[in-house]
Amino acid sequence: DAGVIQSPRHEVTEMGQEVTLRCKPISGHNSLFWYRQTMMRGLELLIYFNNNVPIDDSGMPEDRFSAKMPNASFSTLKIQPSEPRDSAVYFCASSPGPWGYEQYFGPGTRLTVT
Amino acid sequence: AQSVTQPDIHITVSEGASLELRCNYSYGATPYLFWYVQSPGQGLQLLLKYFSGDTLVQGIKGFEAEFKRSQSSFNLRKPSVHWSDAAEYFCGGGGADGLTFGKGTHLIIQP
Repeated sequence: DAGVIQSPRHEVTEMGQEVTLRCKPISGHNSLFWYRQTMMRGLELLIYFNNNVPIDDSGMPEDRFSAKMPNASFSTLKIQPSEPRDSAVYFCASSPGPWGYEQYFGPGTRLTVT
Repeated sequence: AQSVTQPDIHITVSEGASLELRCNYSYGATPYLFWYVQSPGQGLQLLLKYFSGDTLVQGIKGFEAEFKRSQSSFNLRKPSVHWSDAAEYFCGGGGADGLTFGKGTHLIIQP
């Protein structure tokens, strides 16, 4: 079975550009999460969707970040405009259960903003 | 508020020796408990999970963890480590506020 799929795996962009990260969750999972990981701040939850609806976006850093889940098999995280401090590894995870259940992580997208 | 604490930032173990990584939780009720491993350049992989029942949980890659309610702990163990076990290990607790991760323990394996 395919796990969580993320694309691209690596993204290098210049400050001010728009960046879109993509995620395909595990089929049948009804919860989806976006995380950001840096050495300084560790693993941070950005947003949580349940049944395609955003439930908790309190971790989204600012208005430059937005996330959508148009259907059960696809989600995007967009940064516009990007800044060097957005450089991090972004993970998508999905879960078969509700808030607090185990999550299955994708391989991540390493974003570098120059 | 719920929290998960991993007291050890780094642990160094010789190859073939036993391993124990510590995890403590603070929750109003017994949470779901998890251990994840992250190898360099990879995502987090679920090693094992505890929901209820037997307090000793077996996971993948030869790992096990024991839930001790009296100590609010969920320590990860392996009887004999391999060089390939070198990675970052995260303990997680699931509850009303979602899944909370500890800050991780970096495991170094000495030859």
